[in-house]
Amino acid sequence: DIQMTQSPSSLSASVGDRVTISCRASQSIASYLNWYQQKAGKAPKLLIHGASSLQSGVPSRFSGSGSGTDFTLTISSLQPEDFATYYCQQSYSLVGFGQGTKLEIK
Amino acid sequence: QVQLVQSGAELKKPGSSVKVSCKASGGIFSSFGIGWVRQAPGQGLEWMGGIIPVFETTNYAQKFQGRVTITADESTTTAYMELSNLRSEDTAMYYCARVPRQFPDYWFDPWGQGTLVTVSS
Repeated sequence: DIQMTQSPSSLSASVGDRVTISCRASQSIASYLNWYQQKAGKAPKLLIHGASSLQSGVPSRFSGSGSGTDFTLTISSLQPEDFATYYCQQSYSLVGFGQGTKLEIK
Repeated sequence: QVQLVQSGAELKKPGSSVKVSCKASGGIFSSFGIGWVRQAPGQGLEWMGGIIPVFETTNYAQKFQGRVTITADESTTTAYMELSNLRSEDTAMYYCARVPRQFPDYWFDPWGQGTLVTVSS
């Protein structure tokens, strides 16, 4: 199985900050990496697919990059509604999720 | 716009089975698949498996092989996930989501509202 490791596990930031969340795969997954946002008590929401393609309707302050084993989700200027938990997911070999990164208000 | 509506919360006893449904509307059922993901309380997301109804193909996570069965009824545009031999560790929110028809371009969007399954004696 391909292991997905996110860092950090939690993060405190302020509105307006630029934030990056990392996701590392235990082997190369090309660009088969997706990102989700989950707010408390809600289903996850797709943000980015194919490592860098912004899902329709997702604000442009979200961006994704990377290929191979190392990937990054960047939020260019944090908004109050962005405080949530973020997950990466690989689909190179079936499906696997990272453990999540909880983004909290500083 | 595809929408997925799941069945209601379930309370089950250890050793029993649960069957959760996921009804799709607003799209062409044969053009996509349905995946299942669960989330234990306070924990992360865990993939269980998926089905491509038009191809009648299923994929299951190794962890759940032999204990989970995913099916679909094209006539009612409904997918089902049945988990057997339930134990307390299966207490979780179970989500269905639309997925593309084949790997490796495979992501979950949109998601159903979730079905809480509680396993308790």
